[in-house]
Amino acid sequence: QVRLVQSGAAVKKPGASVEVSCKASGYTFTKHYIHWVRQAPGQGLQWMGIINPSRGTTTYAQKFQGRVTMTTDTSSHTVYMELSNLISADTAIYYCARELEDFSGSGSFGFWGQGTLVTVSS
Amino acid sequence: ETVLTQSPATLSLSPGERATLSCRASQSVRTYLAWYQQKPGQPPRLLIYDASTRAPGIPARFSGSGSETDFTLTITSLEPEDFAVYYCHQRTNWLNSFGQGTKLEIK
Repeated sequence: QVRLVQSGAAVKKPGASVEVSCKASGYTFTKHYIHWVRQAPGQGLQWMGIINPSRGTTTYAQKFQGRVTMTTDTSSHTVYMELSNLISADTAIYYCARELEDFSGSGSFGFWGQGTLVTVSS
Repeated sequence: ETVLTQSPATLSLSPGERATLSCRASQSVRTYLAWYQQKPGQPPRLLIYDASTRAPGIPARFSGSGSETDFTLTITSLEPEDFAVYYCHQRTNWLNSFGQGTKLEIK
């Protein structure tokens, strides 16, 4: 079965960077886009970006341009999301999500990781 | 960026009633619209994709409709486990966005 397992919670100081990993299993890693979505406490969902795990190509939401980097390691079936210059407003649960269908699909998120809480505090 | 506006913000209904949730896009998203259900402490769960296709394992009481800019999620007869927050989601030219959510609460 499809599984996305994320790294554990992190506490960071303002100005620091955080890297969250998302290890995939149960399907062909290189055939489905992965997205990152975050959710601040008590708030809604915010899309951050998409990565093609096969080619490593990315598209980021404008809000995160210049601060976010998504990468892929095909040997370990893992996708990474690094967010830099953290501020308190970046405190959130960060989710990776795999598209339900392959590259020809319409882009819905059929599978989600368990989420990683990132807390930014001095 | 395509903005999705959901209404109402909160919907108070009783089990067995019919729920109708709306999502309006600021520009056409064709039928690239999905709906998710989220319960506290859990990641979202995909309910509907391509505006009207139920995701695997989703009960038939959930249905979606609409195209271009106006979409609806209908739950025909509410079960106790359906009370949660619902989000719509779109992708246009590789950019994605979510609505702000509708909280479906027990009346």
